[in-house]
Formats: sequence, structure tokens, C-alpha cells
Amino acid sequence: DVKVTQSSRYLVKRTGEKVFLECVQDMDHENMFWYRQDPGLGLRLIYFSYDVKMKEKGDIPEGYSVSREKKERFSLILESASTNQTSMYLCASSPTGAGANVLTFGAGSRLTVL
Amino acid sequence: AQRVTQPEKLLSVFKGAPVELKCNYSYSGSPELFWYVQYSRQRLQLLLRHISRESIKGFTADLNKGETSFHLKKPFAQEEDSAMYYCALRGGNNDMRFGAGTRLTVKP
Repeated sequence: DVKVTQSSRYLVKRTGEKVFLECVQDMDHENMFWYRQDPGLGLRLIYFSYDVKMKEKGDIPEGYSVSREKKERFSLILESASTNQTSMYLCASSPTGAGANVLTFGAGSRLTVL
Repeated sequence: AQRVTQPEKLLSVFKGAPVELKCNYSYSGSPELFWYVQYSRQRLQLLLRHISRESIKGFTADLNKGETSFHLKKPFAQEEDSAMYYCALRGGNNDMRFGAGTRLTVKP
């Protein structure tokens, strides 16, 4: 019963390529998040969205953009991939109201930029 | 801005020993804190949150506003507790910030 699905588990891209990471949740959650996970740095928030078409910058938004056209889908876009964007990317979602702020995570997308 | 600090990247204890994973935070508002855990080859998942005041898998965590801490404790560690542990803090927009994580290894 997978609830947060990240479309790609592993990707290898070349420097300068445009990269799309897709995330879909089936729990009707309002909030969705993109993090990158790096050893020694933990999870760093890239962007989050609390509603359709709404987005907020996290701590490290440079080099990334996001799209949330539908409630269930939150996409992370790397306009021109660079080697320092090689990382594990985690998508998560959470409801508002009761149970708010308990994040459900996807399995992660490991991106390698050559 | 909120900030979470986990001072220990690695922590190793023997089975049956007590374990404490440290977490300190800074936040101007009323804090809401969590511990998440990631076992090998599994997804990150919630372990516990301070508002529930619960014990999960023998772990407890108490929010100490005076010391701005939310340390995770277990009196008798088990090998299956070996995992990566992250402390997290909710911000005013329902955004969640995480610490750098502590890798706990419980040796037999």
C-alpha cells in the first residue's frame, strides 16, 4: 500500500540536462515537500507546497524549481543539472488539521549528475 | 528561522546499554518536535512526536524548553534499533526542518 510514489528510483544525467523528479501521493494531503538527503548534512528542505499552485522556498532552493498543478502531484525540476546536485531526493506529504505535520515519505530518487 | 542540531553523527552502544540521541533546536515560536527513523533499505518514517508523549519501541523523548532540547532515550538498546535517526522541527507554515541525523549502531 504505497502512498507516496516517486517515479524514478535511480537516474543518471549529464551536466546541463534538464531533470524532472515526479512525486505522487494518494492520501489527499495538502502539504508536499522536496528534500535532499546527503551524508553528514541530513535532510535539507528544497521547496514545499501547502496547496495546489502554491509553493514556498525552503533552505536550498537555488538551482531548483517546482510545480504543483494537481493536489496529488509535486514535481521537482532541475533546469540545468550540475554535479553538486548529485544526491538522494526525498518527497514527502502531510495533511493539515488532525495528524498534521506527520510526514509520509517516498522511497527516494537517487540522482547522479556526471 | 528554525534550526535543528544533532551534535553526534555516529553513536555506538552495546546491546542492553542505555542510549541517548541528542537534539537541540532554535525557534522563536512554540516548538513542535519529532523524531524520524530510517532503517536500512526502508523509507524514513515517524518514530514519535512530543505532543503525543508516547513511548514507541521503548523510546521516549521529552521536550525541555529551558534547554531547547528534545533528546531521544531508550533504557536498553536492541540490535534492531540500529538505524539513522533524525530530529525534526515544524515551522509556522507546516514546513518541517530536520537535523543532520545520528547513525546509531547497536553492537551484539
